[in-house]
Amino acid sequence: DGGITQSPKYLFRKEGQNVTLSCEQNLNHDAMYWYRQDPGQGLRLIYYSQIVNDFQKGDIAEGYSVSREKKESFPLTVTSAQKNPTAFYLCASSILYPGDYGYTFGSGTRLTVV
Amino acid sequence: GQQLNQSPQSMFIQEGEDVSMNCTSSSIFNTWLWYKQDPGEGPVLLIALYKAGELTSNGRLTAQFGITRKDSFLNISASIPSDVGIYFCAGPPRGGGATNKLIFGTGTLLAVQP
Repeated sequence: DGGITQSPKYLFRKEGQNVTLSCEQNLNHDAMYWYRQDPGQGLRLIYYSQIVNDFQKGDIAEGYSVSREKKESFPLTVTSAQKNPTAFYLCASSILYPGDYGYTFGSGTRLTVV
Repeated sequence: GQQLNQSPQSMFIQEGEDVSMNCTSSSIFNTWLWYKQDPGEGPVLLIALYKAGELTSNGRLTAQFGITRKDSFLNISASIPSDVGIYFCAGPPRGGGATNKLIFGTGTLLAVQP
């Protein structure tokens, strides 16, 4: 079955540590996205990529980094520079022009800093 | 970044009641998408609308593309406990430029009491 997989589902991190969230898709989608969701808030775009080896900052990129070495994979690293990293992180993918079809989302990773 | 405004922000209803929510924008959209996010999961596409005035149903859900192309509406009839979640509208802004990213609404949280 085609889909988009995020792992792990739950992640705990100590303050000062970097952590990487995995996102893999087998939908042959060109574009991939990372969103952050806080309680009571909507979706905020962190980074997105429309082609391998290229990515763009979203609205809240500070403290995060990404790579797109393969079409299928778009990992997100939450660095120690991110002041408030505890949140629910969502990865999504789409065709290059998603207007008519939207995004396919993963099931999310909940990151907690302890 | 740009957002779509959804109202109400939250709704607390009894099982069996009908639900109405809307999404408004200051600019024209050519496509409206409605997503549902179950608690702790990623959003899933419910309905897509492509023409002004279009009315589309998916089971107990009915969505409409506003005549002005600046708004959209989602109705849920005879709500059940599994309707609980956050409902997001989304769409590609007209003249979205080279980025082709979707704009997401602020979300409507629905709680259904059995």
